[in-house]
Amino acid sequence: QKEVEQDPGPLSVPEGAIVSLNCTYSNSAFQYFMWYRQYSRKGPELLMYTYSSGNKEDGRFTAQVDKSSKYISLFIRDSQPSDSATYLCAREGGSYIPTFGRGTSLIVHP
Amino acid sequence: DTGVSQNPRHKITKRGQNVTFRCDPISEHNRLYWYRQTLGQGPEFLTYFQNEAQLEKSRLLSDRFSAERPKGSFSTLEIQRTEQGDSAMYLCASSPRTEGAEKLFFGSGTQLSVL
Repeated sequence: QKEVEQDPGPLSVPEGAIVSLNCTYSNSAFQYFMWYRQYSRKGPELLMYTYSSGNKEDGRFTAQVDKSSKYISLFIRDSQPSDSATYLCAREGGSYIPTFGRGTSLIVHP
Repeated sequence: DTGVSQNPRHKITKRGQNVTFRCDPISEHNRLYWYRQTLGQGPEFLTYFQNEAQLEKSRLLSDRFSAERPKGSFSTLEIQRTEQGDSAMYLCASSPRTEGAEKLFFGSGTQLSVL
């Protein structure tokens, strides 16, 4: 079993839709969970991170962690074509090293 | 631009050749990571440095791979006797390693193609 599981998609939505991206993880020992966005032919960039359980909001983005079910979610409100990218979830591991999921490809069409 | 810089952006080589990639991290960052990414997969950890010390290597890292970070500044990743399975995007990231979540700043990667 991979440490962080993500559906690769692609997920295709119309502009303005609410997008829900999800991950599951297998090791409950670590506290921080992150979301990265990766555009084609670019390196990933950190979008946001959350500590343990709970929500964190940043503009149109909300990250949520449910430790009881080992579930990580990212919600994007009022999605834009510029949000089209691959979204990678990650969890902190030993020595703080992030372990990534395979990413979900999101397409927002006008 | 004060971001993470990687060179070259693309490298095409023949099987059996050696290749070397360079990464220049954000100057005040003390941690430097190397990850590998193949199509449709997330970044896979290879190794990291805290200043000039290489503190951890993935057990998946073949002994054909070696990384250095002299003086705790730039880093190089060398692959000896390349194989077709080494074809991937090699990503470098740096981190300030402060309290809280590890925040990685990635470069744009070096795309390696082994023919």
